[in-house]
Amino acid sequence: QSVLAQPPSASGTPGQRVTISCSGSNSNIGTKSVNWYQQLPGTAPKLLMYRNNQRPSGVPDRFSGSKSGTSASLAISGLQSEDEADYYCASWDDSLNAWVFGGGTKLTV
Amino acid sequence: DVQLVQSGAEVGKPGESLKISCKGSGYNFSKYWIAWVRQLPGKGLELMGFIYPGDSDTRFSPSFQGQVILSADKSTNTAYLQWSNLKASDTAMYYCARRGGAFPDWYFDLWGRGTLVTVSS
Repeated sequence: QSVLAQPPSASGTPGQRVTISCSGSNSNIGTKSVNWYQQLPGTAPKLLMYRNNQRPSGVPDRFSGSKSGTSASLAISGLQSEDEADYYCASWDDSLNAWVFGGGTKLTV
Repeated sequence: DVQLVQSGAEVGKPGESLKISCKGSGYNFSKYWIAWVRQLPGKGLELMGFIYPGDSDTRFSPSFQGQVILSADKSTNTAYLQWSNLKASDTAMYYCARRGGAFPDWYFDLWGRGTLVTVSS
């Protein structure tokens, strides 16, 4: 069980807006920045968002990140079939003194 | 091209030793920490540890300390993940990734395609 809690699944239809949550505590998200990773089926993870809301070059602006208190969110607007993937949040945890990933959310489009 | 190329799938027996590799190209390999990430079958991502190829400084996540060996050869731009006593529970996909940013705002911006390790008698 990860200290970063994500819903195991989420779903949406093409064109919709979907939000994936990542809930932590003051030892991680509350005081540290959050990354998001996308893992398409059968492929390696890919950095989607860093420092809460920064998109690496090449990531469409349909993807956006936010953080409030001890929770973070990844929003995907204009949902497309190719967005069907597993999404992971990640952050440093002071209590564990370790980098942690959330358990992942499987997005179905 | 900026990339990390991992070695091919491996099959080993319990108790055997095994070493897999991750070769970087297209950037100054010595100047970026390399992370190793485990993904058990059907499960999520777990950070195992990091190595700095410039001086082979290593850091481990608590769960993996003493379980694996990390090494690097900066002359060949290659990082290694090694086991001295394989267990069936080591069966997983293993990814290497380049770490960017400064603590605690790290991120992993470049990933290898993964190496599947299967341990079976």
